[in-house]
Amino acid sequence: DTAVSQTPKYLVTQMGNDKSIKCEQNLGHDTMYWYKQDSKKFLKIMFSYNNKELIINETVPNRFSPKSPDKAHLNLHINSLELGDSAVYFCASRRGGGAYNEQFFGPGTRLTVL
Amino acid sequence: DQQVKQNSPSLSVQEGRISILNCDYTNSMFDYFLWYKKYPAEGPTFLISISSIKDKNEDGRFTVFLNKSAKHLSLHIVPSQPGDSAVYFCAASRDNFNKFYFGSGTKLNVKP
Repeated sequence: DTAVSQTPKYLVTQMGNDKSIKCEQNLGHDTMYWYKQDSKKFLKIMFSYNNKELIINETVPNRFSPKSPDKAHLNLHINSLELGDSAVYFCASRRGGGAYNEQFFGPGTRLTVL
Repeated sequence: DQQVKQNSPSLSVQEGRISILNCDYTNSMFDYFLWYKKYPAEGPTFLISISSIKDKNEDGRFTVFLNKSAKHLSLHIVPSQPGDSAVYFCAASRDNFNKFYFGSGTKLNVKP
């Protein structure tokens, strides 16, 4: 039973399109994240939600909008896709609460913008 | 500005020998450090962590060492096994632990 799942796994689309990536966790965690792994392989945090509330919003273009309908789901919507958005996007969750505990990652969504 | 750096993109080790993966950080406020392992087409999975009040943490074949004065941590794998071949990321956090900074990863290849 997958702990953190993402759909789709692969996404190929044209520049200018709008697309969404979905994430669900069944671990009962309070905190969820979106990361972008760029061509240099760094995992960079984009957003974090705690109990449906946005707590981290890094310097990300306004074209990216996260939505958390409940604490088990964190979706990422991207408007007007650009070539530079091509990357692997990882969702993660964590128990949170300020304690020493790790993140659990989804399998990633490889986005290719043509 | 990358606050966590892994300067070796790859490492090749013979099976049974020790693998040492290194990580440097610039922010002295970091107080929680983690190592993740990643196989192709999968997300990173947690391996081992250490808080800044310790300088060593062991879990089976995996040991993480923290040198706060040098702002350096390392992961030792002894003995290395072919199944350990993966990309290893180090990560660091501070304060409320909600935000984690990751390095660019080191690809470990353990040769049979």
